[in-house]
Amino acid sequence: AQSVSQHNHHVILSEAASLELGCNYSYGGTVNLFWYVQYPGQHLQLLLKYFSGDPLVKGIKGFEAEFIKSKFSFNLRKPSVQWSDTAEYFCAVNGPSGAGSYQLTFGKGTKLSVIP
Amino acid sequence: DAGVIQSPRHEVTEMGQEVTLRCKPISGHDYLFWYRQTMMRGLELLIYFNNNVPIDDSGMPEDRFSAKMPNASFSTLKIQPSEPRDSAVYFCASSFGTSGRYSYEQYFGPGTRLTVT
Repeated sequence: AQSVSQHNHHVILSEAASLELGCNYSYGGTVNLFWYVQYPGQHLQLLLKYFSGDPLVKGIKGFEAEFIKSKFSFNLRKPSVQWSDTAEYFCAVNGPSGAGSYQLTFGKGTKLSVIP
Repeated sequence: DAGVIQSPRHEVTEMGQEVTLRCKPISGHDYLFWYRQTMMRGLELLIYFNNNVPIDDSGMPEDRFSAKMPNASFSTLKIQPSEPRDSAVYFCASSFGTSGRYSYEQYFGPGTRLTVT
């Protein structure tokens, strides 16, 4: 079964600091990768996704992620965080292909607190 | 598009009562997912449907939980009888099933916050 690991449970940063959230997945085949964001009291929203092609993916609000196949990683980055980025971030992967490929496996989430 | 719609947004009930959560997926989406989110266990997939047919219900915690999708635009998750440990936020999500750029992306509803006392 697919599994997703997010290394940090809670990250606290000051505004303007750079952000990198780690995500590793277990499946070695073809996968699609996602980062979702959940602002306090809200539902999950898609931040960015990787399907194929350029391993550096740009998403909304200045976020980007890099897919490194050899490391089974899909880390999320932002050069300069803002207080409004305070939220919980979830990494997700679909697969394996075939039955169940439309099912997403989510990591446990990383809470980001940005201090003004 | 209105997005995924869930009702009620909040539900408070007493232990032993039946609870029914409702979901309307995005029109045209043929996959529907029910998740439960708690502090302790994070986001858990309970069940998902394809073209109204349940595909995988292995995440349903107990027989007290049941889900139906009578048509493409409506699904219910029922808990009977409810217990305090069922308190959580329940999310519904939908996605396209065909291959292509927008497949696999799941769009989440606002969730139902269930409190069982």
